Amino acid sequence: AQKVTQAQTEISVVEKEDVTLDCVYETRDTTYYLFWYKQPPSGELVFLIRRNSFDEQNEISGRYSWNFQKSTSSFNFTITASQVVDSAVYFCALSEVQDGSEKLVFGKGTKLTVNP
Amino acid sequence: NAGVTQTPKFQVLKTGQSMTLQCAQDMNHEYMSWYRQDPGMGLRLIHYSVGAGITDQGEVPNGYNVSRSTTEDFPLRLLSAAPSQTSVYFCASSYSPGLIYNEQFFGPGTRLTVL
Repeated sequence: AQKVTQAQTEISVVEKEDVTLDCVYETRDTTYYLFWYKQPPSGELVFLIRRNSFDEQNEISGRYSWNFQKSTSSFNFTITASQVVDSAVYFCALSEVQDGSEKLVFGKGTKLTVNP
Repeated sequence: NAGVTQTPKFQVLKTGQSMTLQCAQDMNHEYMSWYRQDPGMGLRLIHYSVGAGITDQGEVPNGYNVSRSTTEDFPLRLLSAAPSQTSVYFCASSYSPGLIYNEQFFGPGTRLTVL
């Protein structure tokens, strides 16, 4: 069985603070993909990043960075110098491969509120 | 490209009524799926399709039917709506199934209330 755990249900920070959103996953697959999606208050889901299980390099995109640690089955997401526009629900997801097709299993999400 | 479109945006049903949530994509994506989002539950997969004529069940398929007669369309049918089906429904599509997995593109969602 696969599982994605986002232990932080809600986080509240003040603008310009750094914040890390945790994601821990469980899988028996040797090949898998991890994702982060953002859901702002408007409700749409926005793709942020995909990482495959063979690539443990950390990724940085502007103020966003991701730390993939296979040894601890974690794929954490850090926002540096947070801004009010970062307020959203963030979902971590894990792909599952069965019979050549892939399905995403989502965590329950972390609601981030950035206060001015 | 319109991307992934969903209609309606909002719907209120009475218990026992049936309806179809529409989903269409114009990106020639083979893989399409339906999720429901409930507070504190994240997104859960209802049904998915790896191509026209092929569908399969996800995590929470009960009470829902799907079909995929064309690459573009993937409607979700509620045969007899129940209050437990009150949720926000998202349709998504991506380029292909297989080991090279691409990002899923999500529609704007349909907010369904069953009274």
